Amino acid sequence: EVQLVESGGGLIQPGGSLRLSCAASGFTVSSNYMSWVRQAPGKGLEWVSVIYSGGSTYYADSVKGRFTISRDNSKNTLYLQMNSLRAEDTAVYYCARLLSGSYFGWYFDLWGRGTLVTVSS
Amino acid sequence: DIQMTQSPSSLSASVGDRVTITCRASQGISNYLAWYQQKPGKVPKLLIYAASTLQSGVPSRFSGSGSGTDFTLTISSLQPEDVATYYCQKGLSFGPGTKVDIK
Repeated sequence: EVQLVESGGGLIQPGGSLRLSCAASGFTVSSNYMSWVRQAPGKGLEWVSVIYSGGSTYYADSVKGRFTISRDNSKNTLYLQMNSLRAEDTAVYYCARLLSGSYFGWYFDLWGRGTLVTVSS
Repeated sequence: DIQMTQSPSSLSASVGDRVTITCRASQGISNYLAWYQQKPGKVPKLLIYAASTLQSGVPSRFSGSGSGTDFTLTISSLQPEDVATYYCQKGLSFGPGTKVDIK
């Protein structure tokens, strides 16, 4: 079955660090564009970071310099290392596969169930 | 950066009604637009990509149209299970969402 399963969320104090994991099955992470999307409580969807199949990485301005996206090809797993966490980083973090093509543009076709990160003292 | 806006921000309609949601891009984006449905407490689900291509398994009462800067998502006959927030997306930008309720 093709799926994504996130883990690693929890309650963390401001300034702390957390690493999220996203285990993929049924397809190869390294052959795809993979992304993290978050949703603060009661708010909309916000793109956080993407890693291309070639390894290039990009970040939203709100997390640049604090978050790092990576993958472990041997484990077929995507990660998000989050440092210097702030209260405004509180959200459900979704791992998602991003498909791209010159005909259809970009879209997220596969989503994990999400993991909740709460930044609070 | 291209900005995405949606209207209305929320709507309430009766079962069986035709519902239309609009998404506008701040500059032309060809047909590079997707729509997602997020039911309360659930994961976002892809409905439509390339502005008008229905994702496999999505009911045919959902349709999308548009090109350039203006796009629409239409539910031809609203059902109770369609209560959700709908988001448009271009590239790495999402619209703010449209919440759909039953009257």
